[in-house]
Amino acid sequence: DVKVTQSSRYLVKRTGEKVFLECVQDMDHENMFWYRQDPGLGLRLIYFSYDVKMKEKGDIPEGYSVSREKKERFSLILESASTNQTSMYLCASSLGQNDQPQHFGDGTRLSIL
Amino acid sequence: GQNIDQPTEMTATEGAIVQINCTYQTSGFNGLFWYQQHAGEAPTFLSYNVLDGLEEKGRFSSFLSRSKGYSYLLLKELQMKDSASYLCAVKSGYNKLIFGAGTRLAVHP
Repeated sequence: DVKVTQSSRYLVKRTGEKVFLECVQDMDHENMFWYRQDPGLGLRLIYFSYDVKMKEKGDIPEGYSVSREKKERFSLILESASTNQTSMYLCASSLGQNDQPQHFGDGTRLSIL
Repeated sequence: GQNIDQPTEMTATEGAIVQINCTYQTSGFNGLFWYQQHAGEAPTFLSYNVLDGLEEKGRFSSFLSRSKGYSYLLLKELQMKDSASYLCAVKSGYNKLIFGAGTRLAVHP
């Protein structure tokens, strides 16, 4: 089974801090994704990556950046955390073919105070 | 614009059948996925449709009509453990999914 592991289930940070969310997958997937999930809005794509050192903006990239130095690891960075970034963050990975589903981690519930 | 609509909440009785509808308007279409998400857990993959018609997988079936921009997820012989949110997602471009807000299903005894 595919395993997508997010480094923290719960995280509390302060406004203005630089925050790192880490994600690791163990199935040699080419694609990795970061979403945030908010009530009534569903999952919204922040950034994704097709390959090492490659990144593409999703629908809501403002205030975020990403890093993919190794194929198995995809990091989400909040450059200067703000209260409106309080959310559930979900990482996912998938193979490159069209019919392949994305596999999700358990999520990180991030609170910015 | 890109839009995916599904009902916010549904309730059903244990043992019954429930149909969760999803309508979409997207700039591209490379397939439609259904995911199940229990509270506090990761979404898990249920089904994938890219051609018109019905895909059956045990108690769950998913239907697609591309001309109507419409899909449904059919859950038969409902069990209490089926209480969860069900997410409809359209692959509109290369590997990019657009998600609906999800349908929260409550199954009652």
